[in-house]
Amino acid sequence: GAVVSQHPSRVICKSGTSVKIECRSLDFQATTMFWYRQFPKQSLMLMATSNEGSKATYEQGVEKDKFLINHASLTLSTLTVTSAHPEDSSFYICSANTGGSAFFGQGTRLTVV
Amino acid sequence: GENVEQHPSTLSVQEGDSAVIKCTYSDSASNYFPWYKQELGKRPQLIIDIRSNVGEKKDQRIAVTLNKTAKHFSLHITETQPEDSAVYFCAAKHSGANNLFFGTGTRLTVIP
Repeated sequence: GAVVSQHPSRVICKSGTSVKIECRSLDFQATTMFWYRQFPKQSLMLMATSNEGSKATYEQGVEKDKFLINHASLTLSTLTVTSAHPEDSSFYICSANTGGSAFFGQGTRLTVV
Repeated sequence: GENVEQHPSTLSVQEGDSAVIKCTYSDSASNYFPWYKQELGKRPQLIIDIRSNVGEKKDQRIAVTLNKTAKHFSLHITETQPEDSAVYFCAAKHSGANNLFFGTGTRLTVIP
């Protein structure tokens, strides 16, 4: 299958700081990527759709100024959690589609202390 | 929008038995139904998918069935093994959208 790489896999940051998470499609181009948040023992919640060369589309209830998304190339999307707070601690995971199927990055475990 | 429901939320089976997980969807325009397996702390991995032009698909011990009329689809795992233990998610997508709508997940435990 296709490869989607996400970094970092784990990050611990202090409250008030910002954290950037990268999502790369390694062997295909992706004009669209997706960012999900997953709470423990729960399903994947779509946060936003990242569109190459244009603004991201955010799901209802997701603050676009807090979760900044940039999709500057066909293989890279970034999610920046700004002014992080402990309640932002979660597992963030990206995905991209190719060949009609979705492939996920490894996920990023964010802990805000 | 699409709403995907998944049952059961937890499932325990003895090694060698079969496991069945069921999902329903609401949007009749949905035409692609993948299943993902997620081990603890890892990414969801696509294990099998089915498109709306077929009713059943099989890959070794895993099979998926689709009933378009009733808008439900199921995952069947036969001869379960301990390494099948994981959380399984169903999803649905229609041709007019890029994103998947996920079910709430089923935690499968295979007891040796």
